[in-house]
Amino acid sequence: AQTVTQSQPEMSVQEAETVTLSCTYDTSENNYYLFWYKQPPSRQMILVIRQEAYKQQNATENRFSVNFQKAAKSFSLKISDSQLGDTAMYFCAFMSYRGTGNQFYFGTGTSLTVIP
Amino acid sequence: DGGITQSPKYLFRKEGQNVTLSCEQNLNHDAMYWYRQDPGQGLRLIYYSQIVNDFQKGDIAEGYSVSREKKESFPLTVTSAQKNPTAFYLCASSEGTEKLFFGSGTQLSVL
Repeated sequence: AQTVTQSQPEMSVQEAETVTLSCTYDTSENNYYLFWYKQPPSRQMILVIRQEAYKQQNATENRFSVNFQKAAKSFSLKISDSQLGDTAMYFCAFMSYRGTGNQFYFGTGTSLTVIP
Repeated sequence: DGGITQSPKYLFRKEGQNVTLSCEQNLNHDAMYWYRQDPGQGLRLIYYSQIVNDFQKGDIAEGYSVSREKKESFPLTVTSAQKNPTAFYLCASSEGTEKLFFGSGTQLSVL
């Protein structure tokens, strides 16, 4: 089975500063996808960013970017110019793609607080 | 707008009672999933279904049951055998290698 590890249960950052959330995973597969999801106090899960393992280029979405290190099985999320609305739980997720069906595996989450 | 609808938003279960959580999607996705979320434990997979009339157990299926009679519907029943059912339940769907689309969740509590 695949495992996803988020070693930082809680983090905080000053508004407008930059913060990096860590994620590592364990897999023997070569074809997979990685995601970061945000869960604000409303508890609605929102996709932040998606990375395809076969692409070397790191994905970016506005203020959000990833540092994908395939050999090290590391997938960290960098949030630049942090805003109060970024306060949320952040989950790292791994998906192995199979023709018979996909499985998604989640880390335990990092609670991020943006301080005004 | 396409999306996933979960109902009810809050649900209370009495001792020995079975309760059913509803999940409906109009995204025309083949795959649907049920996750349980407890504080500090992330999301754990209960059941998933890749096609109508077929479903597979996830990591924590004991005390739960599902059905998939229609493509758009994937209800979850929490049976009396589930001794610790209090949790936030999330339904999701996906297609191919795209992301998981989530519903807004159901909070289940025990009276």
